[in-house]
Amino acid sequence: ETGVTQTPRHLVMGMTNKKSLKCEQHLGHNAMYWYKQSAKKPLELMFVYNFKEQTENNSVPSRFSPECPNSSHLFLHLHTLQPEDSALYLCASSQVRQGSGYTFGSGTRLTVV
Amino acid sequence: DQQVKQNSPSLSVQEGRISILNCDYTNSMFDYFLWYKKYPAEGPTFLISISSIKDKNEDGRFTVFLNKSAKHLSLHIVPSQPGDSAVYFCAASAESGNQFYFGTGTSLTVIP
Repeated sequence: ETGVTQTPRHLVMGMTNKKSLKCEQHLGHNAMYWYKQSAKKPLELMFVYNFKEQTENNSVPSRFSPECPNSSHLFLHLHTLQPEDSALYLCASSQVRQGSGYTFGSGTRLTVV
Repeated sequence: DQQVKQNSPSLSVQEGRISILNCDYTNSMFDYFLWYKKYPAEGPTFLISISSIKDKNEDGRFTVFLNKSAKHLSLHIVPSQPGDSAVYFCAASAESGNQFYFGTGTSLTVIP
């Protein structure tokens, strides 16, 4: 498989559930990202991992917990979410150098009920 | 505060005509710009880029123009095709890191 793969594609969860989103990249990149896309808003950067180390946490609520066990895998653990957390969650990867854009996964469409 | 802005949420263009998508930014440190294209139920895919040392970059039907003094860039698609119908995001980054800031996107509809 090539590119950036996200699972599941769709997820419906209750506010008391615990679930995890998974991202895997097969590009040999050394940085991975979680973005949130809500309707009519810019893509919001949530977390950045460079060389498996978290370097950015853009004031994300603690009900979102990232995990990066190695440079190819990234998880987003979810617990006690709110309905306003319903959105498209996009994973991306890149090579850390100037002039390097992102490769995005297809995203997980999350609905919190 | 939003550092990258796409003020037109939608645009409709007749097939064969030119589509012009606009993007403004506020941070003068931005020196690398990308355009992404997104179809429904898919992640954004890279379309074209430009660095601040250039004012134009062309790739087939797609041309990106950069006006640094106005902090403005635009994407021209000519001729437009129905398959170009998608949401287009512009993104910008500064030399200090590889973090990109995205606009809200413009939904382009090319009418056959």
